[in-house]
Amino acid sequence: KAGVTQTPRYLIKTRGQQVTLSCSPISGHRSVSWYQQTPGQGLQFLFEYFSETQRNKGNFPGRFSGRQFSNSRSEMNVSTLELGDSALYLCASREGASDNSPLHFGNGTRLTVT
Amino acid sequence: ILNVEQSPQSLHVQEGDSTNFTCSFPSSNFYALHWYRWETAKSPEALFVMTLNGDEKKKGRISATLNTKEGYSYLYIKGSQPEDSATYLCVPRGPGDKIIFGKGTRLHILP
Repeated sequence: KAGVTQTPRYLIKTRGQQVTLSCSPISGHRSVSWYQQTPGQGLQFLFEYFSETQRNKGNFPGRFSGRQFSNSRSEMNVSTLELGDSALYLCASREGASDNSPLHFGNGTRLTVT
Repeated sequence: ILNVEQSPQSLHVQEGDSTNFTCSFPSSNFYALHWYRWETAKSPEALFVMTLNGDEKKKGRISATLNTKEGYSYLYIKGSQPEDSATYLCVPRGPGDKIIFGKGTRLHILP
């Protein structure tokens, strides 16, 4: 089985622009979650989708949004980019919605905002 | 479960030595505890998922124990090797919770 695929791997944007990141989960996985990693902050939970419904949301401003499609692929959008949005964005998929299903991570998208 | 503490934050261990570190979490509303290993330039990788009090899991030289009554889990590494250098993250889960990672224990193996 192919792993979790995130595109693009690297992205450079300017303040005020918006960006869309994509995540294709492992085949058969219906849950996709998104995380932001910045130096010193660890992995911060953004949101989780299961079967096209947002299941949970972290403490991020409304500029961060996401969605999931019927094929379980997910996108994350950040509008009106700020310098502080520069980070590694990881997505993870898991087989079900059960809390004992392990997460399988993609390689991440490195976003730089200038 | 929103309060997760991992200690120590950073650890330097001589190659061949054994080590352990801790994940602490509120014991109420507990459902499962995940451990992940995150090596530099790679993605986090699941090590263990534990659910029962007293659970003990093992994968090669790495093992973990779980105490749900007092709210902690230990991760042990026996005979540390350079490839064990990584950040180890824990995620305690309650039903329907947000997925909140601890800040991790950064392990450095010294040759």
